Amino acid sequence: QVQLQESGPGLVKPSETLSLTCAVSGYSISSGYYWGWIRQPPGKGLEWIGSIYHSGSTYYNPSLKSRVTISVDTSKNQFSLKLSSVTAADTAVYYCARQEGGYGDLRLFDYWGQGTLVTVSS
Amino acid sequence: SYELTQPPSVSVSPGQTARITCSGDALPKQYAYWYQQKPGQAPVLVIYKDSERPSGIPERFSGSSSGTTVTLTISGVQAEDEADYYCQSADSSGTYTHVVFGGGTKLTVL
Repeated sequence: QVQLQESGPGLVKPSETLSLTCAVSGYSISSGYYWGWIRQPPGKGLEWIGSIYHSGSTYYNPSLKSRVTISVDTSKNQFSLKLSSVTAADTAVYYCARQEGGYGDLRLFDYWGQGTLVTVSS
Repeated sequence: SYELTQPPSVSVSPGQTARITCSGDALPKQYAYWYQQKPGQAPVLVIYKDSERPSGIPERFSGSSSGTTVTLTISGVQAEDEADYYCQSADSSGTYTHVVFGGGTKLTVL
């Protein structure tokens, strides 16, 4: 059974960099699929941040692209998110998820982590 | 930028049929997916490829597509179906590919 677990600081100061890691169990990242990050501000809807393939190929939300880096570590079977220059608007529950897809073709998210709340505040 | 438009809320009585729409210009060319999210929980996929139902999802959940609109239908709504529902698709136009979510629809079971 595929399981994903987000980890990282729950509080980040404005202008600093938010860093989260998603540990995957029950499936080898190297075997395929894309691996994505999605966030949800309190009381609001879902926003896709970006997705990465095990080879390192990435797709990012154009509205966040300048501040986002997603990387993968196949040796640890995990992938990570870095979001720079954060503001209060980046306060959200951050989810990691497995995503079906191919080159130029991103599809459904079938397994999700439980989500982790990150608050941006001084 | 590409957008998917959903009604903010839908209300139905138990046993009735709920229909939640999602509109987007690229939907004739791209599949849509539907997720159910209950408070404090991660989203769960309930429909994929416009109308396919994953294993374990009750048969009362179905999906359809017509032109630029896809519809999630819940027949014989039960109290446990009260949740937020999100459609999702992709935009592969131009030189980039990205994922888009609709704004979400809150289903209230009266």
